[in-house]
Amino acid sequence: GEEVAQTPKHLVRGEGQKAKLYCAPIKGHSYVFWYQQVLKNEFKFLISFQNENVFDETGMPKERFSAKCLPNSPCSLEIQATKLEDSAVYFCASSHNQEGPTDTQYFGPGTRLTVL
Amino acid sequence: GESVGLHLPTLSVQEGDNSIINCAYSNSASDYFIWYKQESGKGPQFIIDIRSNMDKRQGQRVTVLLNKTVKHLSLQIAATQPGDSAVYFCAENMNSGYSTLTFGKGTMLLVSP
Repeated sequence: GEEVAQTPKHLVRGEGQKAKLYCAPIKGHSYVFWYQQVLKNEFKFLISFQNENVFDETGMPKERFSAKCLPNSPCSLEIQATKLEDSAVYFCASSHNQEGPTDTQYFGPGTRLTVL
Repeated sequence: GESVGLHLPTLSVQEGDNSIINCAYSNSASDYFIWYKQESGKGPQFIIDIRSNMDKRQGQRVTVLLNKTVKHLSLQIAATQPGDSAVYFCAENMNSGYSTLTFGKGTMLLVSP
């Protein structure tokens, strides 16, 4: 599509439950990025993909977070055993540049995760 | 509520005024810069970008200025409208293989009719 799509819009989980978020990048874009935004403040980079390959995962919490971008499927971000501090809005972005993701990143509308 | 811990710099202007939003970026090796606009409940929306080989770029009603000497970026909005009210973020990126966008702290722009 012409826009980055994210589902669900809102997700509520009890502490310790699993959360799974989905992202469909703009058609033809080869890079996908995940960011976390807490309290409308700065964006924290989590992970990026070049097609289905992890490009940069330096921002990913090691233990509970995982992500995938499989061919012909939406990308996903999964949080095992959610904690209260995981409550945030999670944004997905995609970009096109074939020489590297130093190109404009277009963002989806985000998924608001609330952990109770 | 959500306001706890939220201390965004705020710029309040009247409709029709020109607005200038400033950003100090962190990495002298950054060579690509973007301004995003984020309205409440929405994702960041691309406004304008600039590469480090330029010091000025103009769009429709918006101008971005880049001063690499002092690592400063500004966004100028001409004839500000109520619909411009939002939080504005600058972001920087390096074309060195480490390509993640690094976002600055946002600035809230409030436009009164």
